Amino acid sequence: AQKVTQAQTEISVVEKEDVTLDCVYETRDTTYYLFWYKQPPSGELVFLIRRNSFDEQNEISGRYSWNFQKSTSSFNFTITASQVVDSAVYFCALTRGSTLGRLYFGRGTQLTVWP
Amino acid sequence: DTEVTQTPKHLVMGMTNKKSLKCEQHMGHRAMYWYKQKAKKPPELMFVYSYEKLSINESVPSRFSPECPNSSLLNLHLHALQPEDSALYLCASSQDGTDDTQYFGPGTRLTVL
Repeated sequence: AQKVTQAQTEISVVEKEDVTLDCVYETRDTTYYLFWYKQPPSGELVFLIRRNSFDEQNEISGRYSWNFQKSTSSFNFTITASQVVDSAVYFCALTRGSTLGRLYFGRGTQLTVWP
Repeated sequence: DTEVTQTPKHLVMGMTNKKSLKCEQHMGHRAMYWYKQKAKKPPELMFVYSYEKLSINESVPSRFSPECPNSSLLNLHLHALQPEDSALYLCASSQDGTDDTQYFGPGTRLTVL
C-alpha cells in the first residue's frame, strides 16, 4: 500500500526565516514518483516539483530546495528566507510507476508566514 | 498562468437542481481527472479519463456523472446533490495518465443548500 505522511499540520514562521516541511512515504514499489504541490487560499493546486525514485539528487529552485533520501523514505521541502506569499497549504504526494491516475496525497501542511 | 480552466468558480445549488461543472485544458494532454476536496483535507480522486474513456470511478455516487466530449474537455454533471457534497471540485490533466505530472485548475467551490 502507498502512504504519505506529513506530520506537521501547521507551521508558523516570521518572514525571512527558513522553514522545512517534512514528508515521509511508504511504498513497496521500486519505481515511483514524488511530488510537492502548493495550494494558496485561492484553491488551485500549483505543481512545484516531481522526482522519480531513481534520482536522489537534491534540487534547488530559487528559494526552494528539496532533499530526497531513499534511506529514510523522506522527501523534505525547504523554503529559504520565507515570504508572506509562501503562506499556503503544501501537499506531498506519491504515484506508482506506470499506474493510471493515482496520486496519493499526504494530509498537507498549513504554512503561515507572518510579516 | 494555469492552462487548465474551470467554470464556474462558484456555484450554489439546491438539492433538486441539475448543474454542470466544466473543465478545459490547452496542453494537449490525454488524461483528465476530477477531484473533490473538503476543507482542511487533501483532494480525493473521483474519476479519471484516459484517451476520452472512463478509466477510474472511485465508487462515486451516481448523482455525479462525468462526461468527456473530447480530449480537451471534461464535464461533471450534478443532480440531486446533498449538502455534504459541498466542497471544492478540482479538475486536473496530465500527459497520458500514467506516472506523469498532474496539472490542476483553479477549482469550483460548490455549495449545496
